[in-house]
Amino acid sequence: DADVTQTPRNRITKTGKRIMLECSQTKGHDRMYWYRQDPGLGLRLIYYSFDVKDINKGEISDGYSVSRQAQAKFSLSLESAIPNQTALYFCATSTLMGNIQYFGAGTRLSVL
Amino acid sequence: QKEVEQNSGPLSVPEGAIASLNCTYSDRGSQSFFWYRQYSGKSPELIMSIYSNGDKEDGRFTAQLNKASQYVSLLIRDSQPSDSATYLCAVLPGGSTLGRLYFGRGTQLTVWP
Repeated sequence: DADVTQTPRNRITKTGKRIMLECSQTKGHDRMYWYRQDPGLGLRLIYYSFDVKDINKGEISDGYSVSRQAQAKFSLSLESAIPNQTALYFCATSTLMGNIQYFGAGTRLSVL
Repeated sequence: QKEVEQNSGPLSVPEGAIASLNCTYSDRGSQSFFWYRQYSGKSPELIMSIYSNGDKEDGRFTAQLNKASQYVSLLIRDSQPSDSATYLCAVLPGGSTLGRLYFGRGTQLTVWP
C-alpha cells in the first residue's frame, strides 16, 4: 500500500463546480503539503500544514482552501473550479524538520 | 522570494555519458539541498540529498554543493535510457520558512541509446 494516498487519481469537472481532492498518509508525519504542477512551471506550493492546528498559505492559494481533519488527512478544495485550475496536483508529507518530502501519486484534474 | 533556478533544458546525452545538471539558489542561509527525479506523469521521488559543502556519491549519482557560490549540481555517470526524466532541485531555507521546500522548475534529461 502507498504511504501517501491521493484520491481521486483523475477528475474531470465543469467550471463553477466545487470539488475536493483528498490526501491520506500512513507515514506518521506531522507536515503535509499540497502542490500544483503545470508544464514548464515546476511544482508550486498551494497550502501547507505543520500540524492539525496549523495551516499556511503557499505561493498560489487563491481559489483554493484546505482542511486538516487529522494528522493523517489533508484535503484540498476548489470552491468554484475554473479552467486555469486544470493541472496535476500532488500531496506530500515530511518529517518535523521538513528535510525530505514524500509525494503521493498525484491527481490529474481537468476543468472544462 | 526565495529563488531556485535550473536550466530548463532539455538536456540530451548519449548512453554511457555523464549528465550534468545545475541549480542555483538565492537564499544564502539555505541548509539542505535535494534532487528529485520525476518520470513523465509520475510523482517526484528523492534521489539525493546533500547538506554540507563538497561531493556526495551514491552509486552513479554525485551531488556537489558549493554554498559560497550558492550552487548545487547533480552528476549522473554512465547515463542510461532509464535516467530519462525531469530532475527537480529543491532547497530548504533557514529561518522562518524552516520546513518549507522551494523547488526549481526542473531540467528535462533525455538519454539516447
